[in-house]
Amino acid sequence: KQEVTQIPAALSVPEGENLVLNCSFTDSAIYNLQWFRQDPGKGLTSLLLIQSSQREQTSGRLNASLDKSSGRSTLYIAASQPGDSATYLCAVPVEYGNKLVFGAGTILRVKS
Amino acid sequence: NAGVTQTPKFRILKIGQSMTLQCTQDMNHNYMYWYRQDPGMGLKLIYYSVGAGITDKGEVPNGYNVSRSTTEDFPLRLELAAPSQTSVYFCASSSLTGTVSGANVLTFGAGSRLTVL
Repeated sequence: KQEVTQIPAALSVPEGENLVLNCSFTDSAIYNLQWFRQDPGKGLTSLLLIQSSQREQTSGRLNASLDKSSGRSTLYIAASQPGDSATYLCAVPVEYGNKLVFGAGTILRVKS
Repeated sequence: NAGVTQTPKFRILKIGQSMTLQCTQDMNHNYMYWYRQDPGMGLKLIYYSVGAGITDKGEVPNGYNVSRSTTEDFPLRLELAAPSQTSVYFCASSSLTGTVSGANVLTFGAGSRLTVL
């Protein structure tokens, strides 16, 4: 059974700092991995999707890497801003139909 | 605005009551999903549907029922509400058309916060 773990559970950093969020998964036979952002009281917004054949995916100040063999992904946020404060979740699909297994998320707070 | 709409946003139920969480999408997506999110936990899949008339159980289906009579709507029914069903419920949809390796992005609704007392 696929399990997804995210560390740290919470992170507080000063504005401008570069930071890394970690995601690990137990079954390396994944087709892709997605990173989501969740704002308080809101739904999830997809940030990045990395296919299993890719090593990295970038969007603006965000860079996600994937190492299938070690069962790990990282989300790198450059020059963090208070607007980046949110919960970040990673997820991998299982079986047929894009059903996702989620990690518990990392709560990020960027202080101004 | 195009997207996934959930109603109600908040609801308090008494133990044993029943209710339906509504979900509708206007993107003509084949796939729809219901997840629940408990505090400090990841989202867990309750039910999903690959098209009108086709539904299947996810990881935590007990205590819930779904139907998919149209492409747009995917209501979640709670029968005999229990305190363990206190959670935030998210509906999502995607246009994935059938390949496991396909990677279409899910669009989520804003969530429905349910409290059972």
